[in-house]
Amino acid sequence: QKEVEQDPGPLSVPEGAIVSLNCTYSNSAFQYFMWYRQYSRKGPELLMYTYSSGNKEDGRFTAQVDKSSKYISLFIRDSQPSDSATYLCAMAGDYKLSFGAGTTVTVRA
Amino acid sequence: GAGVSQSPSNKVTEKGKDVELRCDPISGHTALYWYRQSLGQGLEFLIYFQGNSAPDKSGLPSDRFSAERTGGSVSTLTIQRTQQEDSAVYLCASSLGYFQETQYFGPGTRLLVL
Repeated sequence: QKEVEQDPGPLSVPEGAIVSLNCTYSNSAFQYFMWYRQYSRKGPELLMYTYSSGNKEDGRFTAQVDKSSKYISLFIRDSQPSDSATYLCAMAGDYKLSFGAGTTVTVRA
Repeated sequence: GAGVSQSPSNKVTEKGKDVELRCDPISGHTALYWYRQSLGQGLEFLIYFQGNSAPDKSGLPSDRFSAERTGGSVSTLTIQRTQQEDSAVYLCASSLGYFQETQYFGPGTRLLVL
């Protein structure tokens, strides 16, 4: 079993829809949780960073962490075609990031 | 300011040749990381530098892989006697310190071994 599980999709939604992404993990030592966005042929770009259970909001993006269930989510409201990318969850107990496989999202205009 | 840069962007080599991949971290970032991204494998950790020291080399897949960092800045990842399974995107990231907030990634080097 992988440390971090993420459904690779692909996920296709119409413009304006809410995109819901999630990851589960097995390592209780993970304390830091991140979501990265990766466009084709580019490096991952940090979207959200949290280190506690609960919700964190930044514009159209909301990250949720539930440590008791070992489950994290990312919601994208009012999705735009420019949000089409691969979204990677990442987590760590120290410096070594463990990544999910990434979910490919397409927002249709 | 400038982000993490990597060179070359793309590298095509023949099986058995050696390759060197370069990473220039964000100025002032003392921690530097190398990851590999392969189809079907996701992103996997290779090595971590704090300054010029590499306290964790546990992710290097074989002794054909080595990395160094000089002057607390530029890092080079070297793959000797390349194999086809080494084909992947090699990503470098840097952070302000020992896991300060988060890691910022460069665009990657796409390596193809024929």
